[in-house]
Amino acid sequence: DVVLTQTPVSLSVTLGDQASISCRSSQSLEYSDGYTYLEWYLQKPGQSPQLLIYGVSNRFSGVPDRFIGSGSGTDFTLKISRVEPEDLGVYYCFQATHENTFGAGTKLELK
Amino acid sequence: QVTLKESGPGILQPSQTLSLTCSFSGFSLSTSGICVSWIRQPSGKGLEWLATICWEDSKGYNPSLKNRLTISKDTSNNQAFLKITSVDTADTAIYYCARRAEYYDGYYPPMEVMDAWGQGASVTVSS
Repeated sequence: DVVLTQTPVSLSVTLGDQASISCRSSQSLEYSDGYTYLEWYLQKPGQSPQLLIYGVSNRFSGVPDRFIGSGSGTDFTLKISRVEPEDLGVYYCFQATHENTFGAGTKLELK
Repeated sequence: QVTLKESGPGILQPSQTLSLTCSFSGFSLSTSGICVSWIRQPSGKGLEWLATICWEDSKGYNPSLKNRLTISKDTSNNQAFLKITSVDTADTAIYYCARRAEYYDGYYPPMEVMDAWGQGASVTVSS
């Protein structure tokens, strides 16, 4: 099974700061078609998860450009520049290259 | 507008079979490229992918639960179903269904994403 390891487990930030979340995979997430099926989801308090990033670095419809996904192979990062109040919640990476797997989550909270 | 809504028994006893229904609107599970996934979340914990069923009836299961899971669909009634056999307290969770569909932004090639989620159904396993 593919294991996604997210770090840190929690992240305390001041509004306006940058936040960075790492997602490391136990296997390469590049599929045989050359694409990498790595997504990021945000679950705000009391809500269902929502898609932020797909294909490692592509923002979904309506996602602000302060969300930046990057990485390749087994190492991926989500950066949030200038954190705003609506960005708080738990971030999950998710891979669909192999059998689908979620990371354990990173909680973004205010310092 | 795409909407999904999960429904289930609320509470059931250990060893019983959990039956969940995802009722959706705004899309069809007979349309090429469309899938529905089930994901669960124990209280205060992370997300766990359970199973996915697609328009051509292909199915995928979480290997750690595969022996206990059965996913199915009723395209005429816009529903997807998940059954989990021999439940125990570890199956207590909120169960979500989500649409997985191709998304194309006009630049990057189309890619399947979970672009719409239901509100979740709470399931408690208790004697």
